[in-house]
Amino acid sequence: GQQLNQSPQSMFIQEGEDVSMNCTSSSIFNTWLWYKQDPGEGPVLLIALYKAGELTSNGRLTAQFGITRKDSFLNISASIPSDVGIYFCAGSDYGGSQGNLIFGKGTKLSVKP
Amino acid sequence: DAMVIQNPRYQVTQFGKPVTLSCSQTLNHNVMYWYQQKSSQAPKLLFHYYDKDFNNEADTPDNFQSRRPNTSFCFLDIRSPGLGDAAMYLCATSRDITDTQYFGPGTRLTVL
Repeated sequence: GQQLNQSPQSMFIQEGEDVSMNCTSSSIFNTWLWYKQDPGEGPVLLIALYKAGELTSNGRLTAQFGITRKDSFLNISASIPSDVGIYFCAGSDYGGSQGNLIFGKGTKLSVKP
Repeated sequence: DAMVIQNPRYQVTQFGKPVTLSCSQTLNHNVMYWYQQKSSQAPKLLFHYYDKDFNNEADTPDNFQSRRPNTSFCFLDIRSPGLGDAAMYLCATSRDITDTQYFGPGTRLTVL
């Protein structure tokens, strides 16, 4: 089945630094989503991407849908302590198994003030 | 205002004692999903409803059932919880099957 490789698995950075994480897939997706999950809470949608090559920003966050439709990255600029959490990428082709989002394993971000 | 609401946020049950988790939505979305998320793992889809049509994932144990009495509410029933069922249970909704999924805050289930 489809799998997503998300990297890095964890990051420890200083406040103010920029962050980059990415996801790659062995097959094509039509949609890429990036979620952030705080401890004990549900994932919160950060950015949704629907078109190959699409570059979308949400405040200090920027995400791109790779031109091959097999990858996506998320950048966070000038990180702050509240950026701490687990970031998940998720993709779907809405193909054989309806309703399936394929999730990456997450990137755990720690920010040192 | 909360759009996907899960109750309770924390649930403790005993081994083998049936438990029901609740999800409601104010978005009038057609699709409602239930995910199981264990510690340090990604959410795993259990099943979803498209309107009244139930779609079970192939590897979802029979111990897990779901009901959707109306558009707004969806329930997850665990008939005989085992220790391995302790997890965060997440409800999500989307307008249609191809639309973005929005998650609730989750219910943390503890099995004693």
